[in-house]
Amino acid sequence: AQSVAQPEDQVNVAEGNPLTVKCTYSVSGNPYLFWYVQYPNRGLQFLLKYITGDNLVKGSYGFEAEFNKSQTSFHLKKPSALVSDSALYFCAVIPLGNTGFQKLVFGTGTRLLVSP
Amino acid sequence: DSGVTQTPKHLITATGQRVTLRCSPRSGDLSVYWYQQSLDQGLQFLIQYYNGEERAKGNILERFSAQQFPDLHSELNLSSLELGDSALYFCASSPRTSGSPDTQYFGPGTRLTVL
Repeated sequence: AQSVAQPEDQVNVAEGNPLTVKCTYSVSGNPYLFWYVQYPNRGLQFLLKYITGDNLVKGSYGFEAEFNKSQTSFHLKKPSALVSDSALYFCAVIPLGNTGFQKLVFGTGTRLLVSP
Repeated sequence: DSGVTQTPKHLITATGQRVTLRCSPRSGDLSVYWYQQSLDQGLQFLIQYYNGEERAKGNILERFSAQQFPDLHSELNLSSLELGDSALYFCASSPRTSGSPDTQYFGPGTRLTVL
């Protein structure tokens, strides 16, 4: 089954420090990977995606993610965390080959808490 | 603001009732997706429509149905509601459905509470 795993329910980081939110995937072939963020009482906002090409993907709000095929990972990173980054982060995958059928398979989410 | 709108924002109803959730996709987007977010099931894909036609079904109950109209807005109908149907229902849209995956842009969601 095509899936992603987010091993940490919560990540705590101090403002100004770098942050990493982990995601590993399990798919057949090459995956299409996404990161979304959900603020309280809001919908999911797209941050970035990896389709092909450079393994380092840059996205919105200063976030970036590194695709690592050998480790089947797609960790989300930011060099300097802000208190306003505190939210729920979801990793998701669209398995390759599902032409015409692009359902997102989401991880369980990681809550990021950035302390002042 | 993603450009995807959903109404209503909140819905409180009783068991056994029927409700309709509405979604308007971003201008120009032909694909609409419905997802359910609940505490026990997480975020799950329900159904996808492309230009008025159903394209794929996920974990959607038989009591649930959806359609996409000629103006591309979509409605999700939930009937014979149970307590366990209480959840946040998201609509998302993307420009097309084939080839390289599009980014799906999500609406703010409809929070359904079944009492």
